[in-house]
Amino acid sequence: DAGVIQSPRHEVTEMGQEVTLRCKPISGHDYLFWYRQTMMRGLELLIYFNNNVPIDDSGMPEDRFSAKMPNASFSTLKIQPSEPRDSAVYFCASRGWDSQETQYFGPGTRLLVL
Amino acid sequence: RKEVEQDPGPFNVPEGATVAFNCTYSNSASQSFFWYRQDCRKEPKLLMSVYSSGNEDGRFTAQLNRASQYISLLIRDSKLSDSATYLCVVTPSGNTPLVFGKGTRLSVIA
Repeated sequence: DAGVIQSPRHEVTEMGQEVTLRCKPISGHDYLFWYRQTMMRGLELLIYFNNNVPIDDSGMPEDRFSAKMPNASFSTLKIQPSEPRDSAVYFCASRGWDSQETQYFGPGTRLLVL
Repeated sequence: RKEVEQDPGPFNVPEGATVAFNCTYSNSASQSFFWYRQDCRKEPKLLMSVYSSGNEDGRFTAQLNRASQYISLLIRDSKLSDSATYLCVVTPSGNTPLVFGKGTRLSVIA
């Protein structure tokens, strides 16, 4: 298995632009998580899905952030409009029923908003 | 109070040293406990689970004290390759997302 796949790996954009981050979870996993990591705040859970349904989005910072999971093999995290304080590493992770709560992370997307 | 608290370090130790990291968690109902490792500019990866009776995996020993809500990780005979950030992780209850501490950075020096 290729593991969790994220794209792009790096994104540099200007304030006000729309940013879309993509994630492909491990095949067969029924949970998908979006995290954001900064030096100041560490790893923060933004939102998670179970069987493509959003379960908890209380970690989403504000209305500028939205996430979708149209099918079991794809999810997006969108920021519109982006702001410099959104600069961070965004990780997607997935978990399956047989993985005993182990979450497998993708390589992350490094976002820089100028 | 943060859900999971760790000393951020950095811990700078010579090769061969023994180093211990500690972590406290605030939710007494937490069910599962882990240590993850994160290398520089990489994603977190599971290092080991932490069981109530304590468990060992080679040079790594993890312990849990539920009464004190305290988790520890001991690394013996440190290697240069152990240099990384170690994240203390807790699951509040079954099927809920992992809650991560901010991590403790370890540098093993030759």
